[in-house]
Amino acid sequence: QKEVEQNSGPLSVPEGAIASLNCTYSDRGSQSFFWYRQYSGKSPELIMSIYSNGDKEDGRFTAQLNKASQYVSLLIRDSQPSDSATYLCAVNIKTAGNQFYFGTGTSLTVIP
Amino acid sequence: NAGVTQTPKFQVLKTGQSMTLQCAQDMNHNSMYWYRQDPGMGLRLIYYSASEGTTDKGEVPNGYNVSRLNKREFSLRLESAAPSQTSVYFCASRRGPNTGELFFGEGSRLTVL
Repeated sequence: QKEVEQNSGPLSVPEGAIASLNCTYSDRGSQSFFWYRQYSGKSPELIMSIYSNGDKEDGRFTAQLNKASQYVSLLIRDSQPSDSATYLCAVNIKTAGNQFYFGTGTSLTVIP
Repeated sequence: NAGVTQTPKFQVLKTGQSMTLQCAQDMNHNSMYWYRQDPGMGLRLIYYSASEGTTDKGEVPNGYNVSRLNKREFSLRLESAAPSQTSVYFCASRRGPNTGELFFGEGSRLTVL
């Protein structure tokens, strides 16, 4: 079983809609959770970090964490064509030497 | 603000050749990492250095060696390149081994023929 799993997509949403990206993780020792955005041919860049249960909002982005269900999600409101990218879920696992484990990413396309 | 700088950006090697990927960060971070990214496989950790003077194996260390030259620099060496090492390599750094997020370099695209 992979440490971090994401639906690879592709996920397509119309401009202005809400995009919902999901991620599950297997290790209950996980303590920090991150969403990275990666444009084609570019390096990952941090979008959101979340450390405790609940929601965290930053502009059009909301990260949601449910440790009991081992689930973390990213909502993108008012999606824009510039949001078209691959979104990587990353989990920092304390019991694994504080290493980051990445999902394979979800490809998002926002259709104008 | 350079952040994390990797060189070279692109490299083509023949099977059996050796090369070193260089990485430097100017954020005074203690921890540095080397990942490879392959289609459908996500980012996989090759080696990391939690602090200056230490290095440890990650998920896929075979065929690679690393050197933490000083606090700023962390290099990755392929002693005898194989086609299976064709990949995009990312260097990343972090404030500490259990602190904050990863900051990535721009990546190095390596092709082994």
